[in-house]
Amino acid sequence: GAGVSQSPSNKVTEKGKDVELRCDPISGHTALYWYRQSLGQGLEFLIYFQGNSAPDKSGLPSDRFSAERTGGSVSTLTIQRTQQEDSAVYLCASSFLSGGAAGELFFGEGSRLTVL
Amino acid sequence: AQTVTQSQPEMSVQEAETVTLSCTYDTSESDYYLFWYKQPPSRQMILVIRQEAYKQQNATENRFSVNFQKAAKSFSLKISDSQLGDAAMYFCAYKRGNYQLIWGAGTKLIIKP
Repeated sequence: GAGVSQSPSNKVTEKGKDVELRCDPISGHTALYWYRQSLGQGLEFLIYFQGNSAPDKSGLPSDRFSAERTGGSVSTLTIQRTQQEDSAVYLCASSFLSGGAAGELFFGEGSRLTVL
Repeated sequence: AQTVTQSQPEMSVQEAETVTLSCTYDTSESDYYLFWYKQPPSRQMILVIRQEAYKQQNATENRFSVNFQKAAKSFSLKISDSQLGDAAMYFCAYKRGNYQLIWGAGTKLIIKP
């Protein structure tokens, strides 16, 4: 596609419910990142996928968070049993390989999650 | 551990004037990349400018330029002839290794018409 697409744009859920956030990266981009951005904060790394390699899950804050990337393209971030502290904007970014040495990432517009 | 610090939570500038956003970082590496990203209200982060640490020359992209002081570990962004469309959050980032980026907390830039 022309850019990184994320859905839903906004999601309001009740505490304890599961949510799925989707990311469709730029076609041909093999690297995909998920970040979390809390209000007034910078970006917190969650997980990184690169081609068929094992993902770097070191940023996932708890075992309630998981992500998968099917066919090296679309990725889904799943949050189980949501808590109010999970409220944030979840940003997805993709790049060609690892952005090369230069590391340019292309971002989606994010999914804003509100947990009531 | 590498850290990135943006000491200005908010800056304001009159339209058409020049503003400088500060960023400092901490690293023991000698070769790395630094970036400034812009995040407008639409939330989509956009790369503004990047600097390769081994290059002495400061990067420039149209009205955007950096002042890269490697010894001082400083990487400031200068925006000349500020425009209303420059209003956004600006994030400084440091690239660690092959893919990890370390982000500052951001600076909110307000443009006064």
